[in-house]
Amino acid sequence: NAGVTQTPKFQVLKTGQSMTLQCAQDMNHEYMSWYRQDPGMGLRLIHYSVGAGITDQGEVPNGYNVSRSTTEDFPLRLLSAAPSQTSVYFCASSREGGEFFGPGTRLTVL
Amino acid sequence: RKEVEQDPGPFNVPEGATVAFNCTYSNSASQSFFWYRQDCRKEPKLLMSVYSSGNEDGRFTAQLNRASQYISLLIRDSKLSDSATYLCVVLTGNQFYFGTGTSLTVIP
Repeated sequence: NAGVTQTPKFQVLKTGQSMTLQCAQDMNHEYMSWYRQDPGMGLRLIHYSVGAGITDQGEVPNGYNVSRSTTEDFPLRLLSAAPSQTSVYFCASSREGGEFFGPGTRLTVL
Repeated sequence: RKEVEQDPGPFNVPEGATVAFNCTYSNSASQSFFWYRQDCRKEPKLLMSVYSSGNEDGRFTAQLNRASQYISLLIRDSKLSDSATYLCVVLTGNQFYFGTGTSLTVIP
């Protein structure tokens, strides 16, 4: 199993650009989530999904959209990038118990 | 009030020492509890779940006190490879809440 995969690993955007961070898991987990991690702030939940077709907002959803058309994939869309979205983004999945994380995407918005 | 609070440290301990990390959570309805480990510039990795009865995995012991809303992690016989940031995590409803982490450096 590849576990949780994320692409790209690194990305630089200009303010106002849009992009999609990809996340996929091959463990047949129903629960998937997106976090951002900033220095001194810990991981903060952006959006999560408890199954295909179901998404919900976490602590910091503004400026991000998600969709869950399949169990495997949970892409995160930045609608109009802002410097405040410079961060490390982690995708995670879980069946029961704790979450398993992907390797992260380091995003810089200029 | 933050959902999960941890002492950020840093904890600098010699090899072979015993070190304990503590964490408090604010929501009495929280249903599951975990400790994660995160190495520099890497993703968090699940270390262990935490139960009221306490659980042990080798040199690591985790404990939950629901009455005090308090979670602990004890590391015995510290190794250099234990150097990392340890994250306390609480599941409340459908959302996981992460502490900001406690930094541990084990010194030769």
